[in-house]
Amino acid sequence: QSALTQPRSVSGSPGQSVTISCTGTSSDVGGYNYVSWYQQHPGKAPKLMIYDVTKRPSGVPDRFSGSKSGNTASLTISGLQAEDEADYYCCSYAGRYTWVFGGGTKVTVL
Amino acid sequence: EVQLWESGGGLVQPGGSLRLSCTASGFTFSTYAMTWVRQAPGKGLYWVSVITDSGGSTYYADSVMGRFTISRDNSKNTLYLQMNSLRAEDTAVYYCAKDRPYSFDSWGQGVLVTVSS
Repeated sequence: QSALTQPRSVSGSPGQSVTISCTGTSSDVGGYNYVSWYQQHPGKAPKLMIYDVTKRPSGVPDRFSGSKSGNTASLTISGLQAEDEADYYCCSYAGRYTWVFGGGTKVTVL
Repeated sequence: EVQLWESGGGLVQPGGSLRLSCTASGFTFSTYAMTWVRQAPGKGLYWVSVITDSGGSTYYADSVMGRFTISRDNSKNTLYLQMNSLRAEDTAVYYCAKDRPYSFDSWGQGVLVTVSS
């Protein structure tokens, strides 16, 4: 149950796009199409942004998108806005009813 | 509107016990698996445990197996986490979350558990 690997931080100017990677193994990210992404503002609970690799829950802006290739999943934020500044965590199903999170990525809007 | 509200946190000495509760509303609680996730101060999210909708099956992270017990009372729309033999490294904010499934689509506000002498 090793944590998934995410960059510690990414940044971009308003309107730009940023992409956060999430690298696991064939036992988690690569083995299942059950990667999800969570946004967390300071002092707040996480919020589901992407599930099943590419799907957006109702109410999440379409500038958030997800993808996966092999053992690496990615979250892209297009048209970056000030309110997108937050921590983002990936999560993958890892089999046998267990899940593993990434270490988190701080997104800074310059 | 889905609402989840955790309670039962606090300060406990190493080796002690604590029971967290999560009261749910706004959805049919008995038809969803439920999960506990924790976050140590200044650290990332960590999956702790899941229980199926009926409560018939439970699963745990290796670090808490044998010390924590997840349970639920569907008649009370309440999820529990019994934590025994607590260690300093269990200090965290504990969140309950509703399973989508395979992801967690609603979260409580979290409850702080501090293990310290």
